[in-house]
Amino acid sequence: EPEVTQTPSHQVTQMGQEVILRCVPISNHLYFYWYRQILGQKVEFLVSFYNNEISEKSEIFDDQFSVERPDGSNFTLKIRSTKLEDSAMYFCASPGRTSGGLRTQYFGPGTRLTVL
Amino acid sequence: AQSVTQPDIHITVSEGASLELRCNYSYGATPYLFWYVQSPGQGLQLLLKYFSGDTLVQGIKGFEAEFKRSQSSFNLRKPSVHWSDAAEYFCAVGSYSGGGADGLTFGKGTHLIIQP
Repeated sequence: EPEVTQTPSHQVTQMGQEVILRCVPISNHLYFYWYRQILGQKVEFLVSFYNNEISEKSEIFDDQFSVERPDGSNFTLKIRSTKLEDSAMYFCASPGRTSGGLRTQYFGPGTRLTVL
Repeated sequence: AQSVTQPDIHITVSEGASLELRCNYSYGATPYLFWYVQSPGQGLQLLLKYFSGDTLVQGIKGFEAEFKRSQSSFNLRKPSVHWSDAAEYFCAVGSYSGGGADGLTFGKGTHLIIQP
């Protein structure tokens, strides 16, 4: 299965601080997606990003969040002024190169964010 | 708006017995349907997907799923479960707007417990 990598695997931060979560999609793919999963709940879509622009975003993705592509291969999710309720697992996803083309999303291992 | 319902929060199955996990979706057009599996503390692994064509799709680890348009269902099956199948299973529906896949909508998941 294609590999998406994410760093860090676990991030602990104080409430009000800013965090940056990183993702390296499959083979420099131009598409990537961010999702979050609050403990014990379902996975929720946050945002999709294509070619340096936001393609789609959910109502969860408010001004507290931003996504960037700081270089050719890395993508980031920035959360400003973190709140306790931002504690969750954050997943990056990327389409595959062959199987299912752009329609199939492969997920990274996730970053567990804990806000204290 | 699209939605996914997984009516069973928990399912307990004896090792070696057959398994069926239910998934119902709501979507205006022909959906793209996925099943993902998540082991504790892990990311989401794609089990199988349906885009079009043959309504019975085969996936990894001996899983299969059948798309039934008339019932708006995409149930996951396995003829004989193994203890290693114990995990959380998520059904998801997606769409494709031409420029790329839209964000997936997930069900709340079914927690599978395997009895020895």
